[in-house]
Amino acid sequence: QSALTQPVSVSGSPGQSITISCTGTNSDIGTYKYVSWYQQHPGKAPKLMIREVSDRPSGVSHRFSGSKSGNTASLTISGLQTDDEADYYCASYTISSAFVFGSGTKVTVL
Amino acid sequence: QITLQESGPMLVRPTQTLTLTCTFSGFSLTSTGRAVGWIRQPPGQALEWLALIYWDDEKRYSPSLSTRLTLAKDTSKNQVVLTVTNVDPVDTATYFCAHTTILNVDFDFWGQGTPVTVSS
Repeated sequence: QSALTQPVSVSGSPGQSITISCTGTNSDIGTYKYVSWYQQHPGKAPKLMIREVSDRPSGVSHRFSGSKSGNTASLTISGLQTDDEADYYCASYTISSAFVFGSGTKVTVL
Repeated sequence: QITLQESGPMLVRPTQTLTLTCTFSGFSLTSTGRAVGWIRQPPGQALEWLALIYWDDEKRYSPSLSTRLTLAKDTSKNQVVLTVTNVDPVDTATYFCAHTTILNVDFDFWGQGTPVTVSS
């Protein structure tokens, strides 16, 4: 199972919106609604930001939103803030009853 | 409040077996639907899913590592143990355990991670 494909880096200015893509296959993203997104600051554990494609867990800012089309999922961060600077990973359940993570995207706030 | 804590050796020699323990609180692995997963992250690299054990003792392993991974749970101690056989320097990583359920198929609570170096 190959990692899901994400852009290496995405950047934006404070207040802007950015979108991170996550491309998989019919064996994972294309089949299931179980796509999640994680934020990871340096030296910290990942934090769940989006579950089931577009649901925000309690306590996650409404500035984070998710969507999916075909084999590609997306995470949008609106009103970019300096604390949003971090690595972001997507993940999906697979037809093998396993999980696969994305290659990771570094978000830089200019 | 769900918490998880990983523990294990910081240094392992090549070809040895690595044993990691995840000690958790705030839930029980005897409760229907609960599961604990393991994820690792080599230095400067991406997260990689390794394995998952369910409340009913069902287990799932990464296809690329399945021959080297074994999971076990001790419900009396609220622990999950992951063993990795025949380690290699490429297994150097921070190893995380995380909580999930069959209803919310994601990892909602994570341990802080434990760093493991494989070197002679």
